[in-house]
Amino acid sequence: SAVISQKPSRDICQRGTSLTIQCQVDSQVTMMFWYRQQPGQSLTLIATANQGSEATYESGFVIDKFPISRPNLTFSTLTVSNMSPEDSSIYLCSVRPGTYNEQFFGPGTRLTVL
Amino acid sequence: AQRVTQPEKLLSVFKGAPVELKCNYSYSGSPELFWYVQYSRQRLQLLLRHISRESIKGFTADLNKGETSFHLKKPFAQEEDSAMYYCAPLNTNAGKSTFGDGTTLTVKP
Repeated sequence: SAVISQKPSRDICQRGTSLTIQCQVDSQVTMMFWYRQQPGQSLTLIATANQGSEATYESGFVIDKFPISRPNLTFSTLTVSNMSPEDSSIYLCSVRPGTYNEQFFGPGTRLTVL
Repeated sequence: AQRVTQPEKLLSVFKGAPVELKCNYSYSGSPELFWYVQYSRQRLQLLLRHISRESIKGFTADLNKGETSFHLKKPFAQEEDSAMYYCAPLNTNAGKSTFGDGTTLTVKP
């Protein structure tokens, strides 16, 4: 299993600013995922972050807007850059430790952009 | 393209009634199938995986490869089953899961 914490749990930001979300896992994992969950909607994968390599972004998401760092096997950050109200969402960190392909999720970061 | 459909956004049943949450998927290859659940004010968590053929909290899910379906069932719903349920096939080659839109289940007393 894996226990994931995220910081901050929520934030209210002004448009045009940036926010960095931290994800900490209690064990070493190879694959980490960042999702966005907009109100009443499903989870959308933003990118996959593997330690020691560039993150892989899904269609519709670019590195300039959502830069990701993965400095080690227990930590990652996602930055939401130059924010607009459309970026208001819950951002989730997730890992799949690999034993049974089960995914574990962080508690989420609720972002509101004014 | 990989796609998963949960046709019911909202589902409401009375306590003790059977419940079925539908999931259909369109995938190349043979994905692994999972159901995840999110209770109020809790984080998303695994409910069950098809490969284990297990029953969790009275829920079961049968993989029907012919119909490409993985419906979640429980014969007697309980109020504590009220939650958001997501079907999530995993493409083991790509290493990525696709989540359905989710079904909000409400079990009324």
